[in-house]
Formats: sequence, C-alpha cells, structure tokens
Amino acid sequence: TQLLEQSPQFLSIQEGENLTVYCNSSSVFSSLQWYRQEPGEGPVLLVTVVTGGEVKKLKRLTFQFGDARKDSSLHITAAQPGDTGLYLCAGAGAGSYQLTFGKGTKLSVIP
Amino acid sequence: DADVTQTPRNRITKTGKRIMLECSQTKGHDRMYWYRQDPGLGLRLIYYSFDVKDINKGEISDGYSVSRQAQAKFSLSLESAIPNQTALYFCATSGPPQETQYFGPGTRLLVL
Repeated sequence: TQLLEQSPQFLSIQEGENLTVYCNSSSVFSSLQWYRQEPGEGPVLLVTVVTGGEVKKLKRLTFQFGDARKDSSLHITAAQPGDTGLYLCAGAGAGSYQLTFGKGTKLSVIP
Repeated sequence: DADVTQTPRNRITKTGKRIMLECSQTKGHDRMYWYRQDPGLGLRLIYYSFDVKDINKGEISDGYSVSRQAQAKFSLSLESAIPNQTALYFCATSGPPQETQYFGPGTRLLVL
C-alpha cells in the first residue's frame, strides 16, 4: 500500500509570511498532484509534477518533485488570506489511474 | 454549469436505512470515483470505475455498493446505513492527458 505523509497537519500564519508544506512517501510515484480544497467544495487541482527534480511555479506557489519521485513540497511566498484552505497531495503509481491522497494540511492565513 | 454534479448536497438519515448518492459528469471521461472524507483522515477511495462495464473496490468498500448507469453517471449506495458512515462524500472523474481528477461539490451525510 502506498502512503503519503503530509506535514504539518495544521498551519496558522500571518499574512505576508512564507510557508512550506511537505508530502513524503517511501514509495515511488509516476506523478504527484497538489489540490486545494475550500470549505463546502471539492478539491481543485493546482499542479501536476511528473519528472524527478521538477519545479513548477504558479504565481506565489512553487512546487517541487523530489529527485527520487518519493516526495514533494509546496512553498507559498507572501501568503494572503485567500490562500486559506486545505492542501492535499496525491500520488499516482506507475500505470495506475488511481490516486493515493495525503491527509492534508489545513492552512489559515490571518490578515 | 459544473462539470461534476452530486445529489443530494446534504442528507440526514437513520441507522438501517438505504440511501443512494448520485453523481453526473459532463467531462466525457470514462473514469469515475467515489471517495469519503473524514476529518484527519483525508480522502479515501470507496469504489472506482474505468468504464461502464468496469467496477472496482477501493480501500474502504465494505458497506457500500455502486452502479455505473452510463458513462456520465455513477451512483453510490449505502444498503443499511450506520453512524460511522457519517462523512463527506465526493465523486470525481478523470481523463487524459494527465488524469487530473475533477471533483463534485460533495454530499454531506449524517447517519443518526
């Protein structure tokens, strides 16, 4: 069974601060996705990373896939209240359409 | 219009009752999924279907059944609801090229 461990589970920061969320596993994934979920809604895809060592930037968000494709990180620069939400990482094994989800990081950005 | 819709959005039922949660998608995808979400446990896969004739159990299928009525429709049933099935239920669909999963808005189920 492939497991994804996310840390921290909860994060409360002031507006303008930087933060990093981690997603780690002992398993290798062919791709890793990051989703953001707001209260009362379903998760929405932020990014997919597929190559070991890959770095993708989405405005103030930077995503990195580990060289061994077992871990990933999400870094947010100058967090804003609109970044508040639950961040989920999800990995797909080789040749599999199914995703294994981490338990999520609940982020609160205080104005 | 939303790509993935779920009905009902909220449901309160009693222990032992049979209920059905419905999901429809307009993405034209073959693959559909049912998850439940519990605080601190993340999203766990209940059942998935790769096409109309293909149904597979996920991580936590006990107590649930599904029906894939058409490419666009995938329903989840609780034959005899129990209180520990109280959760938020999500339907999702995925397709090429990167198999991004598109989620519905969720159904909040309370079993008394």
